[in-house]
Amino acid sequence: DQQVKQNSPSLSVQEGRISILNCDYTNSMFDYFLWYKKYPAEGPTFLISISSIKDKNEDGRFTVFLNKSAKHLSLHIVPSQPGDSAVYFCAASPFPNSGNTPLVFGKGTRLSVIA
Amino acid sequence: DVKVTQSSRYLVKRTGEKVFLECVQDMDHENMFWYRQDPGLGLRLIYFSYDVKMKEKGDIPEGYSVSREKKERFSLILESASTNQTSMYLCASITGAGTGYEQYFGPGTRLTVT
Repeated sequence: DQQVKQNSPSLSVQEGRISILNCDYTNSMFDYFLWYKKYPAEGPTFLISISSIKDKNEDGRFTVFLNKSAKHLSLHIVPSQPGDSAVYFCAASPFPNSGNTPLVFGKGTRLSVIA
Repeated sequence: DVKVTQSSRYLVKRTGEKVFLECVQDMDHENMFWYRQDPGLGLRLIYFSYDVKMKEKGDIPEGYSVSREKKERFSLILESASTNQTSMYLCASITGAGTGYEQYFGPGTRLTVT
């Protein structure tokens, strides 16, 4: 049973517009959420994270929103750039996290930003 | 800067061969992980280790084994490679201190089994 779901396998967005990537989770014990970005033939790289005590975290063009009651988070990229084209993975960590518990990943969303 | 390196970027092996994938991290991290990535299936955890000589099964351990003899090195072993093990293999590490949740990934090994 998938605990972290990314229901959109792919998304296409025009350059300069907003990209919104969604993620749902089922385990109410998840305490910390992360987004990773992956280019082909490379390992995923950490992008942004949010703790369950917050509902928003911003880093430049990237903002993550968390709605705990809905068990939903989203990643907003504004403005989208062609270099943002990649696969984005949502991940969650249970509470309490000791570092010994693996992250739970979604299946990813492939974002294509069209110039 | 954390560095996670993997021994090969691309590997081609024959069915039935024994395959070793090596991963080394330079940040003294306690925890190390092996994933495989397949289209439509995302990242699936094969095995992880939270200490030297310790290992835990992930979601898809069948057909794989691991070895962690030194803290910085975590090896994934395919005892008898099969074509359904053709995949991108990713190693990751994280500190066990609980001060950060971000896993750091290596560049990946694209394994093809023919």
